[in-house]
Amino acid sequence: QQQVKQSPQSLIVQKGGISIINCAYENTAFDYFPWYQQFPGKGPALLIAIRPDVSEKKEGRFTISFNKSAKQFSLHIMDSQPGDSATYFCAANSQGYNKLIFGAGTRLAVHP
Amino acid sequence: EPEVTQTPSHQVTQMGQEVILRCVPISNHLYFYWYRQILGQKVEFLVSFYNNEISEKSEIFDDQFSVERPDGSNFTLKIRSTKLEDSAMYFCASSRPGQGSNEQFFGPGTRLTVL
Repeated sequence: QQQVKQSPQSLIVQKGGISIINCAYENTAFDYFPWYQQFPGKGPALLIAIRPDVSEKKEGRFTISFNKSAKQFSLHIMDSQPGDSATYFCAANSQGYNKLIFGAGTRLAVHP
Repeated sequence: EPEVTQTPSHQVTQMGQEVILRCVPISNHLYFYWYRQILGQKVEFLVSFYNNEISEKSEIFDDQFSVERPDGSNFTLKIRSTKLEDSAMYFCASSRPGQGSNEQFFGPGTRLTVL
């Protein structure tokens, strides 16, 4: 029940295309859903996050869509660029201070 | 912009040796965490620390592991007798929830290699 399931494992997108990564969770106590971006040899960096009181959040080219009833959320990267090539992790936790539960990660490659 | 720092960036040790990984969290943060990431795998929670005590630990965090905040700035992870399977990236994170953000800020990591 603590798991966060993420798909796909890897994704190849052409420059300018839309990258879509999906996550699903079971624990209804989760109330915070961040996406982290990780470049090789670096720590995860917060990209965008959402709470379940909204269905969508957009920041620049990055959008989170949240479906509370289905217990799913997804990251959309519009106009994908080669610089977006990285590993993306979804995560979830509850009450702010608790541990983050990470998905397995999606390795995104954006080809020019 | 404030950031979490970690030292060393890479630590090589022999199996059975003790290692101490060091972290300086963001100065006004209250919660501190250690996570690890085995090469190519997901990030896994190890332990959280608040008010000078462990608030939660995972089953990975057995008696070989300990954490300490020896002064007002450092946060350390000690592995008493390293095993080959301890080889991983270890990330320190910190947060200050309650100010409208749950964000956990991660450091750059320490790559631990156990030979």
